[in-house]
Amino acid sequence: GENVEQHPSTLSVQEGDSAVIKCTYSDSASNYFPWYKQELGKGPQLIIDIRSNVGEKKDQRIAVTLNKTAKHFSLHITETQPEDSAVYFCAASKGDTGRRALTFGSGTRLQVQP
Amino acid sequence: SQTIHQWPATLVQPVGSPLSLECTVEGTSNPNLYWYRQAAGRGLQLLFYSVGIGQISSEVPQNLSASRPQDRQFILSSKKLLLSDSGFYLCAWITLKLNTEAFFGQGTRLTVV
Repeated sequence: GENVEQHPSTLSVQEGDSAVIKCTYSDSASNYFPWYKQELGKGPQLIIDIRSNVGEKKDQRIAVTLNKTAKHFSLHITETQPEDSAVYFCAASKGDTGRRALTFGSGTRLQVQP
Repeated sequence: SQTIHQWPATLVQPVGSPLSLECTVEGTSNPNLYWYRQAAGRGLQLLFYSVGIGQISSEVPQNLSASRPQDRQFILSSKKLLLSDSGFYLCAWITLKLNTEAFFGQGTRLTVV
């Protein structure tokens, strides 16, 4: 089955700096890669996603890049702000149902220091 | 609109007591529903999933059980809680339309004392 590895597990940056979180996946059939943000005491929420036919997608200060050959994808946050502090999860999917619907990475705790 | 509700938000229970966490979905039919547990500072551990009424798949052996008595209702239960059952429990609805998207409930912080 699919295996998603996520690094780093914790990341601390100064406000205004950029943050990058990286994920690798094992199943070349995976074709959809969402990113979720989990604020303290809440459930994760989708913030950006990318499909396998696209190499990069950007939404204001956040962007995601995908390298299908290397089977890795990354989340980039520019001009970080304190409210970006949260746990971020990457995930991979190939459209299966059941337990393989979405395979999540282990999460990255991002701390933005003011 | 499609929404997912989970309650309670926090719960403190003594060891050996029963547990019932409820999750309901609005705005859709026959949803695929999931229960995850998140230990402090850790990732999402899949506990159970259900693709329909009465259909439950368990991912890990544990002290918990799940039930799907109605199409849009998913319940996580235990007859006797253990200290190790403490954690943050998340219900999720995963859609399989254009993209596979997960909608999470607000979560339940369970502390077993």
